[in-house]
Amino acid sequence: DQQVKQNSPSLSVQEGRISILNCDYTNSMFDYFLWYKKYPAEGPTFLISISSIKDKNEDGRFTVFLNKSAKHLSLHIVPSQPGDSAVYFCAASASYGGSQGNLIFGKGTKLSVKP
Amino acid sequence: NAGVMQNPRHLVRRRGQEARLRCSPMKGHSHVYWYRQLPEEGLKFMVYLQKENIIDESGMPKERFSAEFPKEGPSILRIQQVVRGDSAAYFCASSPLRVLQETQYFGPGTRLLVL
Repeated sequence: DQQVKQNSPSLSVQEGRISILNCDYTNSMFDYFLWYKKYPAEGPTFLISISSIKDKNEDGRFTVFLNKSAKHLSLHIVPSQPGDSAVYFCAASASYGGSQGNLIFGKGTKLSVKP
Repeated sequence: NAGVMQNPRHLVRRRGQEARLRCSPMKGHSHVYWYRQLPEEGLKFMVYLQKENIIDESGMPKERFSAEFPKEGPSILRIQQVVRGDSAAYFCASSPLRVLQETQYFGPGTRLLVL
C-alpha cells in the first residue's frame, strides 16, 4: 500500500530544458511535502518543500507545485543542468495523527540530464 | 557545522552476527530518525528517538531490531542475528525540533551486506 507514488522510474532531459518530476499521494492527512535529491552512495539531500497551505514554492531553478484536489505535486527544474542528474525522492508527512512528522517516501525518479 | 554523521559507511556481516550502526545528529539537533532503503525502493521509516526516549518505533521490525539514543553519544541501531534480508542502506536523519513541518537532514548512510 504505497501512500506516495512516483510513477516514472526514470526521466531523461536535454541540458537547458525543463525537467518535470511528478508525485502522487493517497493520504489526505499529508500536509507537508518535500523533495530530496540523492546521488549514489550518499544520503538524500533536502531540496525544497511545500506546505499544504500553498500551491507553489520557488527556490532558484527549482519550483514545486501542489494540487491538493488531485493529490499531486510536481518538481520543475529549469534550466536543467548535467549536475542535476540524480535520483529524486518525493516525501510527505502529516502534522497530526499517530505518525506525525515521519516522512513517507516515494520510490524515486532517476533524472538524467544530457549535455 | 558538521552534518549528520554515520559510521561505519559499509558493514559486512555473516548471518547470525550482530550489526551496530551509529548516528551522530547535526549539532543542536535532538531528534533522530532511522530509515531503511532496500534495493530499488524508497526509504522506509523505522524509528524516531529523542535523547533517552523512543518516541515512535512503528516502522521497526518487532524482533532482532532495537534502537537507542543515550544522553551522551550517538544513536545506535542494533540488528541482532542478521539475515540476508537485512542487507540494505540504513539512513539516519536529524531535526532540531519536533514541530510541524520540520525538515529532516540525512546522513550518508550505512550500507549493510549480510553474507
